[in-house]
Amino acid sequence: GAVVSQHPSWVICKSGTSVKIECRSLDFQATTMFWYRQFPKQSLMLMATSNEGSKATYEQGVEKDKFLINHASLTLSTLTVTSAHPEDSSFYICSATNRDRTWQPQHFGDGTRLSIL
Amino acid sequence: KNEVEQSPQNLTAQEGEFITINCSYSVGISALHWLQQHPGGGIVSLFMLSSGKKKHGRLIATINIQEKHSSLHITASHPRDSAVYICALIQGAQKLVFGQGTRLTINP
Repeated sequence: GAVVSQHPSWVICKSGTSVKIECRSLDFQATTMFWYRQFPKQSLMLMATSNEGSKATYEQGVEKDKFLINHASLTLSTLTVTSAHPEDSSFYICSATNRDRTWQPQHFGDGTRLSIL
Repeated sequence: KNEVEQSPQNLTAQEGEFITINCSYSVGISALHWLQQHPGGGIVSLFMLSSGKKKHGRLIATINIQEKHSSLHITASHPRDSAVYICALIQGAQKLVFGQGTRLTINP
């Protein structure tokens, strides 16, 4: 089945560092990728929708300058947490889909656990 | 009121029991996902359905569009089924609206 690879799976870094998370679709063209954030014991919160070749659409309350999203190809989207602070510590997960194949389910990455010291 | 409500929020059962998780929603949808999130955090789509019933192994998902209700059943439950099960509505542009999840624990 379709696979989405997310990297890194786990990162610890110092406050002020920028962290890049990659989301790759390995065997299909992901025209659309979604980025989510999840706090402990809570449901996923959609941060932004990224369509290949265009600017990401951010959900209300998500700082676009803080969470930079790039979707430059049909197989790769990146989320960069700029100047990360402890409050940015969370679990980030992506999902990918092809808008021309709406009958197919979304495919999720395994997530990235980000800890900012 | 949330657009999607899952019940129960937590469920503990013994190995072998028949499990039912319910999902009720209040908005129009094109389809609905049942997702499984393991303790490590990774999410797997178990089913995507827009009508009727689907079966995969010991898992069965049903949906009643008129009643705006879906159920996920697990037959002959096993400790490896322990996970969080999430109902997610698919609305326009493939955006998902998530339920709060049901934390399932199957004891041996």
